[in-house]
Amino acid sequence: AQSVTQLGSHVSVSEGALVLLRCNYSSSVPPYLFWYVQYPNQGLQLLLKYTTGATLVKGINGFEAEFKKSETSFHLTKPSAHMSDAAEYFCAATKAAGNKLTFGGGTRVLVKP
Amino acid sequence: EPEVTQTPSHQVTQMGQEVILRCVPISNHLYFYWYRQILGQKVEFLVSFYNNEISEKSEIFDDQFSVERPDGSNFTLKIRSTKLEDSAMYFCASSIIGQLNTEAFFGQGTRLTVV
Repeated sequence: AQSVTQLGSHVSVSEGALVLLRCNYSSSVPPYLFWYVQYPNQGLQLLLKYTTGATLVKGINGFEAEFKKSETSFHLTKPSAHMSDAAEYFCAATKAAGNKLTFGGGTRVLVKP
Repeated sequence: EPEVTQTPSHQVTQMGQEVILRCVPISNHLYFYWYRQILGQKVEFLVSFYNNEISEKSEIFDDQFSVERPDGSNFTLKIRSTKLEDSAMYFCASSIIGQLNTEAFFGQGTRLTVV
């Protein structure tokens, strides 16, 4: 069964500092990978996705993620954190378009002024 | 921008009562899903629906749950006899099939509280 692991349930960064959120997947076949963000009392918003092709993908709000097959990872980064980045971030995977998403446990990001 | 809409945003119900959570997926989408998130836990898949039938369901989706697309626009999740442990945020999602269009679009969620 496919699984997604996010290292660190909470991350605290200073405004302007690098944001790095880690995600590893367990799958015999490279899945489609996603990062979603959830702001307080809101739904899940897609940040970015990897399907095929370029392994470095750029998303909204300055985020990007790199798919590394050899490491089975899809870490999310943003060079400079903003106060508005405070939210919970979920990594998710699916084996094919239309199939169910398997989510990681989520990482809550706190941004300090 | 098209979006998935869910109603109600909050629902409080007594244990043993039936609840229906409603969703309007994005109009040209073909796959529909329900997920739930118990407070403090990860988002869990419940069921997917395609071509007017369930395409996949999780172990959570037992006989107490059912889904329906009654009129071509709404997609509903019914819980027949709610239990305390059904308290969670329920998310509806939809997606369109295509090699490049693989992501699911989520609604804002319905927070269900069973008392």
